Amino acid sequence: GENVEQHPSTLSVQEGDSAVIKCTYSDSASNYFPWYKQELGKRPQLIIDIRSNVGEKKDQRIAVTLNKTAKHFSLHITETQPEDSAVYFCAASAPRGNEKLTFGTGTRLTIIP
Amino acid sequence: DVKVTQSSRYLVKRTGEKVFLECVQDMDHENMFWYRQDPGLGLRLIYFSYDVKMKEKGDIPEGYSVSREKKERFSLILESASTNQTSMYLCASRREGKETQYFGPGTRLLVL
Repeated sequence: GENVEQHPSTLSVQEGDSAVIKCTYSDSASNYFPWYKQELGKRPQLIIDIRSNVGEKKDQRIAVTLNKTAKHFSLHITETQPEDSAVYFCAASAPRGNEKLTFGTGTRLTIIP
Repeated sequence: DVKVTQSSRYLVKRTGEKVFLECVQDMDHENMFWYRQDPGLGLRLIYFSYDVKMKEKGDIPEGYSVSREKKERFSLILESASTNQTSMYLCASRREGKETQYFGPGTRLLVL
């Protein structure tokens, strides 16, 4: 089955700087890669996703890049703000009917004011 | 707006007890999921259901069972709770054919 590895497990950045979180996946058939953000005490929420037919997607300060050849994808947050502090999870799924997500182990991002 | 609710935010049970965790969604979603979340392990899929009375094992089904008698409700059952089942349990739902999963607030279960 699919295996998703996520790095780093913790990340601290100065407010205003950029943050990058990286994930690798094992199943070359995977074609959908979402990122979820979980603030302290709250439920995970989708913040951005990308499908395998594009290499990059951007939504304001967040962007995701995908390298299908290398089987890795990354989340980029620019101009970080205190409200970006949260745990971020990457995930991958393959189109094999009733697709299920395989999640990474999470990255705790702390923005230092 | 999608709403996924879980019956309890916090639950304390004793070893050997039968435990029911309930999840309800109000958006007529066909697919529902149960995950457990542990530090350093991320979200791991326990069971999922793609329709009423349908269920499929996820990655860590041992020690758990599920029930989906109605479309809006998906129950996770711990037949005989053990201390290694102490965890945060998250339910999610998704419309058939769509990829976005919507999560409930989670149930933090402590088994003593």
